Order: sequence, then structure tokens, then C-alpha cells
Amino acid sequence: DAKTTQPNSMESNEEEPVHLPCNHSTISGTDYIHWYRQLPSQGPEYVIHGLTSNVNNRMASLAIAEDRKSSTLILHRATLRDAAVYYCILLPMYSGGGADGLTFGKGTHLIIQP
Amino acid sequence: DSGVTQTPKHLITATGQRVTLRCSPRSGDLSVYWYQQSLDQGLQFLIQYYNGEERAKGNILERFSAQQFPDLHSELNLSSLELGDSALYFCASSARILGADTQYFGPGTRLTVL
Repeated sequence: DAKTTQPNSMESNEEEPVHLPCNHSTISGTDYIHWYRQLPSQGPEYVIHGLTSNVNNRMASLAIAEDRKSSTLILHRATLRDAAVYYCILLPMYSGGGADGLTFGKGTHLIIQP
Repeated sequence: DSGVTQTPKHLITATGQRVTLRCSPRSGDLSVYWYQQSLDQGLQFLIQYYNGEERAKGNILERFSAQQFPDLHSELNLSSLELGDSALYFCASSARILGADTQYFGPGTRLTVL
């Protein structure tokens, strides 16, 4: 499996933007970049994914470097509810029969200060 | 609420016993995944079923087994339980969104082996 590298933890203030980086220098051309997060005492939650272009949804934005060797998850205005562990995961393009199991690393523990 | 349901929420049992965890995927999703989350190992993929057939295996012990029934619900059976099997067990189902499969996780079953 292609590997990702994330900082162990980051801290931000409430209502400020947060930029969570992820390095994936061995990404292949058919790997999607996925982000999931896990809030305390809950199951992981899908956040966003992308292939080459930047992506936006109601939760976050995903900025993908031109060479695709890194990406950044952007939370535009962090709230206390965004305090969670954020995982950056590479998944091969859909090949039928459902995707493979996700390989979770240690992720980034995001702390939000009020 | 992801739409994935898991029962029971909590399970306390003794070493050597056998337990069954149950998962119902989101309506229309054919894939079910099982994950284990322990303090020392993090989130680990165990096994995947697609439309009743086993599709992928991760770090699943031989003492563990799973199946997916015709109505698409799944059960994870854990036998000869050891203290180290105490963990959170998550189930997920997947759907194809914007060209890639995304997984939706249930709230988990917390297993405590005494």
C-alpha cells in the first residue's frame, strides 16, 4: 500500500482556518487521496477525497499539489467539534466489487483551542 | 448518523468465550467491512464482504470469522477470546461517490474481555 506521512498533532484556535498536511511521495497515478476523521468515542467519518484537482464540499476543501506528492486538508473555520484525529489515506481507483479495506496510519490529532 | 448500525454497543465477557457482533449496512450498500481499534494497534482492517462473498482479508486472526447474509447484514464471530481482544470493533459499508468508493462507519461495539 502507498504510504502517507502526517504530523502527529496540530493545534489551532476556534474560528480560524486549519491546514492539515499529508505527504504521499510514492502515490501512483490511479490512487485517490481520501481524508477521514475520527471524533472522540465515534467511528471514523468520511471527509473528502480527490484525484488531481482541488475539491470542496460542505465539510472541507482538499488542495492537491501539482505533482500529487502532497495534499492539504483545509477546514475553513474550525469549531470545537472539529477536534478529532484526521487520517490521510490513499486508495486505488475503483476496481469493482467495493473498495479495499482502509489502511489507517496514526493520523494527525487536531486540537482546537476555544 | 451514517446509516450503518451495529449491535450490541457494549459487550463484556470472559476469556475463552465466544461472541457475535452484528452489523447492518446502509440501505443499498453491498459491501461490509470490519475493523478493530485497540490502543496499541490503532485501527486495523479485518475483513471485507461484498454481496455475500468474502472479498478481502486483512489482519484477521484465525479465531475470528465473519459472514454476510442474503439480506446483506454481517456478523463477526470472535472465539476463544483473550484479554488482548478487548477493543472497539467497527463495521462500515461503502458507496461510490465521485468516482471512488467511500466508507461509512457504524458507531462500533466495545468488547471487554475479563
